[in-house]
Amino acid sequence: NAGVTQTPKFQVLKTGQSMTLQCAQDMNHEYMSWYRQDPGMGLRLIHYSVGAGITDQGEVPNGYNVSRSTTEDFPLRLLSAAPSQTSVYFCASSESTGLLNTEAFFGQGTRLTVV
Amino acid sequence: DQQVKQNSPSLSVQEGRISILNCDYTNSMFDYFLWYKKYPAEGPTFLISISSIKDKNEDGRFTVFLNKSAKHLSLHIVPSQPGDSAVYFCAASVSPGFKTIFGAGTRLFVKA
Repeated sequence: NAGVTQTPKFQVLKTGQSMTLQCAQDMNHEYMSWYRQDPGMGLRLIHYSVGAGITDQGEVPNGYNVSRSTTEDFPLRLLSAAPSQTSVYFCASSESTGLLNTEAFFGQGTRLTVV
Repeated sequence: DQQVKQNSPSLSVQEGRISILNCDYTNSMFDYFLWYKKYPAEGPTFLISISSIKDKNEDGRFTVFLNKSAKHLSLHIVPSQPGDSAVYFCAASVSPGFKTIFGAGTRLFVKA
């Protein structure tokens, strides 16, 4: 079972470069989200999606774009990378039960360094 | 403004003893709480959850307690094992929906 797959695992960018972090899940989950993990800050929500075509901002959305054209994929775009975006990025998905939240399944993470 | 707070960055416990990890929240609308465990170089994995209609949920060695009036929850691990050494994240959300907010995490060391 693949679960949630993130690519790449590691990436070094120069300031001002753009890139897309890929996330795919094979569990037919409606909910997907992106978090960044920084020392002492825990996991902070960047953007999330409650279904194909629907996205919304989380706690720290600035500098990031997302789209959700299919149930399976939820890419995260950095349009102009900045050193402050150096972090470990996690994608997560969870099932929609209509009324109650459920636990999230996380990918292995992408370690991004912006120099 | 942190809505979910884990004020202890680290905790060290002897193998076989109880580990108690604490979490406080400020948003009274939160009604679903979760604990995740994270090993280095891996993504977080779900451990246990509790709905606001309960004050306790148990799963094997893991028990989560919720005190709504104090806006406080805790995770008890009994007995603690060296394999439990990891970072533990507390998380909270408002149902229905998926905007889950995480705390900063507590690193647990279980000494053999």
